[in-house]
Amino acid sequence: QITLKESGPTLVKPTQTLTLTCSFSGFSLSAPGVGVGWIRQPPGKALEWLAVMYWDADQRYSPSLKSRLTITKDTSKSQVVLLMTNMDPLDTATYYCVHNSRSTVSLPFDYWGQGAQVTVSS
Amino acid sequence: DIQMTQSPSSLSASVGDRVTITCRASLSVSSFLNWYQQRPGKAPKLLIYAASSLQNGVPPRFSGGGSGTDFTLTISSLQPEDFATYYCQQSYSIPFTFGPGTKVDIK
Repeated sequence: QITLKESGPTLVKPTQTLTLTCSFSGFSLSAPGVGVGWIRQPPGKALEWLAVMYWDADQRYSPSLKSRLTITKDTSKSQVVLLMTNMDPLDTATYYCVHNSRSTVSLPFDYWGQGAQVTVSS
Repeated sequence: DIQMTQSPSSLSASVGDRVTITCRASLSVSSFLNWYQQRPGKAPKLLIYAASSLQNGVPPRFSGGGSGTDFTLTISSLQPEDFATYYCQQSYSIPFTFGPGTKVDIK
């Protein structure tokens, strides 16, 4: 059974760096094809893909946010960490951790965490 | 970036109705198109992948079609638990992009 869970601060101040951790179980990030990524959703708005880390350490980022994002993995701890620098109130959103696999045609996000609400405010 | 649009943005329907939602990509995404359902306050759930493949555990009243730039999600007989927002998403090229969503509510 695959599960993912996000953890991190619920409130950050403008200009601060956000650190979110995704802890997962039921799969290994060392298995070929496996990826763990991040997607966010501002209140009342649509979903926005941010980044993904694959089993082979291949990292992909949204070009519009690439300068502010860093994704890392700790395979032994079954964790993926997302750093987002220079936070702004417009970054207020629910941040989801997701599983996908290059072994599945169309790379769907087939498992989702429950989401972590992050508010950016002074 | 590949832009995704959906129509309608919202619709009202009754239990038992057949509902079709359309998704259009600004460039061809082949069959790299997925559909998700999101109920209020919950994480999205994968329904359809590769345009027409039903995710394990999803009821067969859901079906997907299309390729290239035009896609559809059809619910053959709407059930009470289907009232939600539906998103399409392309995974053909980075950045992976989502449509703006279609909200299905009770008439």
